[in-house]
Amino acid sequence: QQPVQSPQAVILREGEDAVINCSSSKALYSVHWYRQKHGEAPVFLMILLKGGEQKGHEKISASFNEKKQQSSLYLTASQLSYSGTYFCGTEINTGNQFYFGTGTSLTVIP
Amino acid sequence: KAGVTQTPRYLIKTRGQQVTLSCSPISGHRSVSWYQQTPGQGLQFLFEYFSETQRNKGNFPGRFSGRQFSNSRSEMNVSTLELGDSALYLCASSLVQGDGYTFGSGTRLTVV
Repeated sequence: QQPVQSPQAVILREGEDAVINCSSSKALYSVHWYRQKHGEAPVFLMILLKGGEQKGHEKISASFNEKKQQSSLYLTASQLSYSGTYFCGTEINTGNQFYFGTGTSLTVIP
Repeated sequence: KAGVTQTPRYLIKTRGQQVTLSCSPISGHRSVSWYQQTPGQGLQFLFEYFSETQRNKGNFPGRFSGRQFSNSRSEMNVSTLELGDSALYLCASSLVQGDGYTFGSGTRLTVV
């Protein structure tokens, strides 16, 4: 039941955009997004709930397509500080077990 | 406010020993989850506690156990350590289940 993320890795130049996808084989209640920098703990970015709206956070936003059981994270005009591994996390129902995705390594170069 | 505190930060144990890891959540947070992170397996869910009750358990052997106290602090215990248990163990807390999680810095366990 672990969600699958794509791509596994991506390298961007500063200012470029990226999309990270998270797909589940089960219907989802919520999707979380986290970023983990090397040697640090994951940091919560945002949560999307079933029936909810697309979320935004500065130049990082996400959408949740319930019918396709997937979520996408959009990073626009990337900055060096965006580098890290991005994880989605999914919950089938409130109170159910939470699964993290396989992770996407994102590297932003000057 | 203080973040999630995990102790110890680093630990080296010998195969067959047991270990106890501690996690103090953010004040007011009642949900505490534990994860094992390894390069090959990513973030694997161990268990979740809410108000001293285990609500969910991941697919780990019975050697892995945990508990939560009335002040929401949580401990995780691993008995009969194996080399494959070497990993970063992360604790995360949230106000309620399903909220965004705040992670601690983790405990790096090395089994030799």
